Amino acid sequence: DQQVKQNSPSLSVQEGRISILNCDYTNSMFDYFLWYKKYPAEGPTFLISISSIKDKNEDGRFTVFLNKSAKHLSLHIVPSQPGDSAVYFCAASAIMNTGFQKLVFGTGTRLLVSP
Amino acid sequence: SAVISQKPSRDICQRGTSLTIQCQVDSQVTMMFWYRQQPGQSLTLIATANQGSEATYESGFVIDKFPISRPNLTFSTLTVSNMSPEDSSIYLCSLNSGGATDTQYFGPGTRLTVL
Repeated sequence: DQQVKQNSPSLSVQEGRISILNCDYTNSMFDYFLWYKKYPAEGPTFLISISSIKDKNEDGRFTVFLNKSAKHLSLHIVPSQPGDSAVYFCAASAIMNTGFQKLVFGTGTRLLVSP
Repeated sequence: SAVISQKPSRDICQRGTSLTIQCQVDSQVTMMFWYRQQPGQSLTLIATANQGSEATYESGFVIDKFPISRPNLTFSTLTVSNMSPEDSSIYLCSLNSGGATDTQYFGPGTRLTVL
């Protein structure tokens, strides 16, 4: 049961244009959402997050939008740069029955930004 | 954020053997997590490790296969026991940022190949 889904395995964008990465979730108990970037041979790097009480969070070139009614969030990168080429993971967080916070990850979207 | 290191960074092992992965943090943290990323898959939580208590394992993961130690607030180990080729994955430790957010920060990962 994939609770967090990234339906696009890959995305190609030209440098300077906008990159939009999408993520859908099914569990309404999720209350915090995060985006991670992962380069080959490295661990995931935290990028940006959003609480379920907000619908937008912006940090420089990165903006995350949350649509709770649709259980959908998206990451916008503008302008895109070749250094943004990486795999992007969406993650959702909730407190589990054990009392521990748990992150559930999507399968990732590979972004390629070409010069 | 804390600096997280893992050893080894990669290893190639024979089936039936065991490998212990070390995770070292440069500051004291209460909660640490171990994840697995199988080829082409998402990150999956194996277990949550609190110092001074038994690790809490996710569904599908058992202590006999993935014993975890947490001897102090800066160190943890994950052992992959009696390995098979299906255990070939990237293994990552992470820690919680603490405070009001649920952001987790990840180590660089250990790439394990089982022949």
